[in-house]
Amino acid sequence: DIQMTQSPSSVSASVGDRVTITCRASQGISTWLAWYQQKPGEAPKLLIYSASSLQSGVPSRFSGSGSGTDFTLTISSLQPEDFATYYCQQTNSFPPYTFGQGTKLEIK
Amino acid sequence: QVQLVESGGGVVQPGRSLRLSCAASGFTFSSYGMHWVRQAPGKGLEWVAVILYDGSKKYYADSVKGRFTISRDNSKNTLYMQMNSLRAEDAAVYYCAKEGATVWGSGFYGLDVWGQGTTVTVS
Repeated sequence: DIQMTQSPSSVSASVGDRVTITCRASQGISTWLAWYQQKPGEAPKLLIYSASSLQSGVPSRFSGSGSGTDFTLTISSLQPEDFATYYCQQTNSFPPYTFGQGTKLEIK
Repeated sequence: QVQLVESGGGVVQPGRSLRLSCAASGFTFSSYGMHWVRQAPGKGLEWVAVILYDGSKKYYADSVKGRFTISRDNSKNTLYMQMNSLRAEDAAVYYCAKEGATVWGSGFYGLDVWGQGTTVTVS
């Protein structure tokens, strides 16, 4: 099975900061990676699919990159509504479709 | 609008069974793979199971294999999860989620629609 490892587990930042979250797959998954945002008490929301494609309706300050085993999610200028937990998920053809352990983005 | 609504959660004793349902609307249910994802209290997301658009193939996480069964009724636009031999560690919020577009043999474009979740307590 493919393992997904996110770093850091938590990060503190201020409004307007640029933040980068990393996700590493235990084996190559090409660009079959998705990123989600989850706020407390809510269902996850798809932000990025295919490693770098922005889901419809998601602000352009969110971007994704990477291929193979190493991926990043970048928020270019943090807004108050971006403080949440972020998860990556491998979506290639072989289940299980594992999630990373999550990265909690907190206000500094 | 596109919507998924889960039901069937509740409090159940260890070793007993529960069936979750997920009613879909606003999209062509029979064209998409569907997943169950769960989240234990204070923990991260755990992928549980997937069923192909036509029900022909099903895959499970090792943690539920042999105890849980995913199924769908495309005539009723409904996804199910039959959960047997429940354990304390199965307690979680269970979400159903719709796959984005699928590239056969390669992968899928994320889970683009999620339900609000239904809570299962095993005690």
